[in-house]
Formats: sequence, structure tokens, C-alpha cells
Amino acid sequence: SQTIHQWPATLVQPVGSPLSLECTVEGTSNPNLYWYRQAAGRGLQLLFYSVGIGQISSEVPQNLSASRPQDRQFILSSKKLLLSDSGFYLCAWNGAGVFNEQFFGPGTRLTVL
Amino acid sequence: GENVEQHPSTLSVQEGDSAVIKCTYSDSASNYFPWYKQELGKGPQLIIDIRSNVGEKKDQRIAVTLNKTAKHFSLHITETQPEDSAVYFCAASRGASGGSYIPTFGRGTSLIVHP
Repeated sequence: SQTIHQWPATLVQPVGSPLSLECTVEGTSNPNLYWYRQAAGRGLQLLFYSVGIGQISSEVPQNLSASRPQDRQFILSSKKLLLSDSGFYLCAWNGAGVFNEQFFGPGTRLTVL
Repeated sequence: GENVEQHPSTLSVQEGDSAVIKCTYSDSASNYFPWYKQELGKGPQLIIDIRSNVGEKKDQRIAVTLNKTAKHFSLHITETQPEDSAVYFCAASRGASGGSYIPTFGRGTSLIVHP
């Protein structure tokens, strides 16, 4: 069966520090991968998605970036965190196709102080 | 692009009552409509979905209806239980380039079921 992992589970970082969040998927190959941010208002904001290694599409301009160095690994990064980067970051995957549901990871709670 | 509106933002019911959450979408090409349940501190989990060729789908106490003409769909939970308390998200999507599936989510409904 497929599983999706995210780490760390929680992170507290000072403003201006770098960020690296990791997401890995097991039990499938060539998944579509997604990064979402969920602020206190509960909405899910799509940040990046990837349909293959090295292929990244950005949905919202910001100081975050994403990379996909391996088929089942998706990384969210920042060189300098802002206070507004605080939130709950969710990674998700689904198989190629039109009607495939997304499977979400457990999330990373990021607090920028 | 697609725009999904979800109402209400908060819904409080007594145990055993029914709960209804409604969503509207703007893109007539959307053809897949999932509903997710998110418990506190966890990632969303799919609870039911419906495709555009179906008007209604039911799974035990949960049902979803779709009106393509009016571009709205609804989640119905009957005989609510305290463990149904969570945030519920609707979403709408259509196939995107490269085979990716990009849903647009509603802002969520916080359902509170009082014992």
C-alpha cells in the first residue's frame, strides 16, 4: 500500500532563517506531488505541484521554492523565512489521470518567530 | 480559473441531527468533486467523491449530490455523531496538462456535533 511521509512534524524557526521540509511517498511510482499551505483560516492554498523529476510548477509567487530530486521525494525550501510563512504545510500525491483522489501527508506545523 | 465557494463556514448541530454543507463552482469543465474531512492537526482524508456523470452518491451516513446545471454540489451527513466533528472541504477539478489533477478547494466548514 502507498504511504506518504512528511518531516519534521513541527518546526519553530526565526525570521530570516532557511527552511527545508521533506515529503516522500512509498508504494507508488511517478506520482504527481503537491505542496499546500494552510493558514489559520483553514483554506488550502496550492503552492507547487510536480508531474515528474525536476518538473515544478509554481502557483503562487513567494519566497518559497520546491524541488523534486527523486521520483518520490518533494522538498519545500526557503532561503529566508518571513513571519507570514507560518502555517501548516501539507504534501499530497495522486496518480496520473483525471479522476484520482489526492492523498495527504500528516503535515508540518511551521512557526516563524 | 476555477472558483469554489463553500457554505457555511461553521455548522453546529446536535448529535443525531443531519448536517448539510454546500459548494458552488464556476468552471463548467470541472468533472470531479471530492469531499475531505480534516481532523485537528492532521492531513485531510477523502470521505466521498462524485463525478460529473452522476447526480448522487451515498456511502452509509454520508451522501453527495451534484447539480451540473446550477454548478453546485452538497455533502449530507445523517445521524451525526460527535466523531463527525471536523473541518470539511469540498473541491472541484478537471484534468490539467501533463496528466496532473489540480483541485480547487473551498475554504472549509467547521462542523461541531454536540453530544
